[in-house]
Amino acid sequence: AQTVTQSQPEMSVQEAETVTLSCTYDTSENNYYLFWYKQPPSRQMILVIRQEAYKQQNATENRFSVNFQKAAKSFSLKISDSQLGDTAMYFCAFMKHDNGGSQGNLIFGKGTKLSVKP
Amino acid sequence: GAVVSQHPSRVICKSGTSVKIECRSLDFQATTMFWYRQFPKQSLMLMATSNEGSKATYEQGVEKDKFLINHASLTLSTLTVTSAHPEDSSFYICSARDPGGQTYQRLYGYTFGSGTRLTVV
Repeated sequence: AQTVTQSQPEMSVQEAETVTLSCTYDTSENNYYLFWYKQPPSRQMILVIRQEAYKQQNATENRFSVNFQKAAKSFSLKISDSQLGDTAMYFCAFMKHDNGGSQGNLIFGKGTKLSVKP
Repeated sequence: GAVVSQHPSRVICKSGTSVKIECRSLDFQATTMFWYRQFPKQSLMLMATSNEGSKATYEQGVEKDKFLINHASLTLSTLTVTSAHPEDSSFYICSARDPGGQTYQRLYGYTFGSGTRLTVV
C-alpha cells in the first residue's frame, strides 16, 4: 500500500519570500504520478503541480517548483515570491500509473497549512 | 465556472434522514468519479470509486448500504447518505478527470467539486 507523509502541519512565510513544503511517500510501484494540491479557505481543491515519476527533470509551474528525489521518495514543493493568495492548505498526493488507461485514485498526505504574512 | 458542479454546498439534516449529494461534470464525460470525505483539519480520505453503468467500488471500512453511490450517466454521480447520524457530519468532495482538458489544471490533475458540508443534528 502507498502512503504519503507530510511532516509539517503548519508553516508560515513572509510575503515575497521563498518557502519549501516537504513530502515523502512510500511505494513499491515504479510508475506513478505525484501532485501538489492547494485547498484555500473556500475548500476548493486546486492542482498546483504534477510530476511524472519517469521524468528526471523537476516540474515547474511559474512560481512553483518541485524537488523530486525518486530514490529517496521525496517530493518537496518550493514556492517562490510568496503571495498572500498562496495562503492555503497544501496536500501532497500520489497516484499509481495504470498503463491500461483506467483512472487511479489519489492518495493524500495530511496536509501543511501555509500562512503567508504581509 | 466550476467544471464539476457539486450540490448542495451545505446541508443540515435530522438524524435518521437521508441526504443526496450530486456531482455533475459540466463539459466533459466523467466515466469515473471519486468520492472523498474530509474531517476538519484532516486530509481527504477516499470513500469509493464510481464507474458509469456499474457498481461502485468501496474502500475498506466504508459501509456500502450507508453510502449509496449511483453513476447512471457519464455526467452525473450521486452519493446518498442513508439514515444519517451525527458522526456522518463531514465535508464530502467528488472528483473526476477530464482527459481532454485544455488547461494545465484540467489536463494533468483531477477536477474537484466544491464540496458539500453535511451537518447531522
